[in-house]
Amino acid sequence: KQEVTQIPAALSVPEGENLVLNCSFTDSAIYNLQWFRQDPGKGLTSLLLIQSSQREQTSGRLNASLDKSSGRSTLYIAASQPGDSATYLCALISSGSARQLTFGSGTQLTVLP
Amino acid sequence: NAGVTQTPKFRVLKTGQSMTLLCAQDMNHEYMYWYRQDPGMGLRLIHYSVGEGTTAKGEVPDGYNVSRLKKQNFLLGLESAAPSQTSVYFCASTSGRSNQPQHFGDGTRLSIL
Repeated sequence: KQEVTQIPAALSVPEGENLVLNCSFTDSAIYNLQWFRQDPGKGLTSLLLIQSSQREQTSGRLNASLDKSSGRSTLYIAASQPGDSATYLCALISSGSARQLTFGSGTQLTVLP
Repeated sequence: NAGVTQTPKFRVLKTGQSMTLLCAQDMNHEYMYWYRQDPGMGLRLIHYSVGEGTTAKGEVPDGYNVSRLKKQNFLLGLESAAPSQTSVYFCASTSGRSNQPQHFGDGTRLSIL
């Protein structure tokens, strides 16, 4: 059974700092991996998607990488801003599945002004 | 740009009552999912559908039923609500292609007293 772990559970940084969020998974046979953002009391917003054949994806100040051999993905946020404060969720679809996502428990990020 | 719409947004039920949560998507997606989100447990899959007229059990299906009579709609039913079903429920849909993300609704916050 695929298991997804996100460490740390919470992170607090000063504004302007570059930061990395980590996601690890136990089964390297994945279809794709998504990073989501969730604001308190809100739904999930898709940030980046990395297909199994890709190594990284970039969108603005965000960069996500994927290393299937080590079972790891990272989300890099450059020049963090208070508006980046949210919970970040890593989720993946395993190969051969019905395209359902397996989620990590998330990292709660606070960017201090 | 409706995407995935969930109704209702909030609901309070008494133990033993029944209700149906509605999910509607306007993206012509084949795959639809119901997840629940609980503190410390992350998001877990309840039921899913890979096309009109099909449904299947996810990780935590007990106490729930689903139907997908129309491609755009996926209904989640609670026949006899229990306090353990107090949660935030999210619906999602996807085309199933590896380069396409899952799209989520804004969630339904359900309390069972």
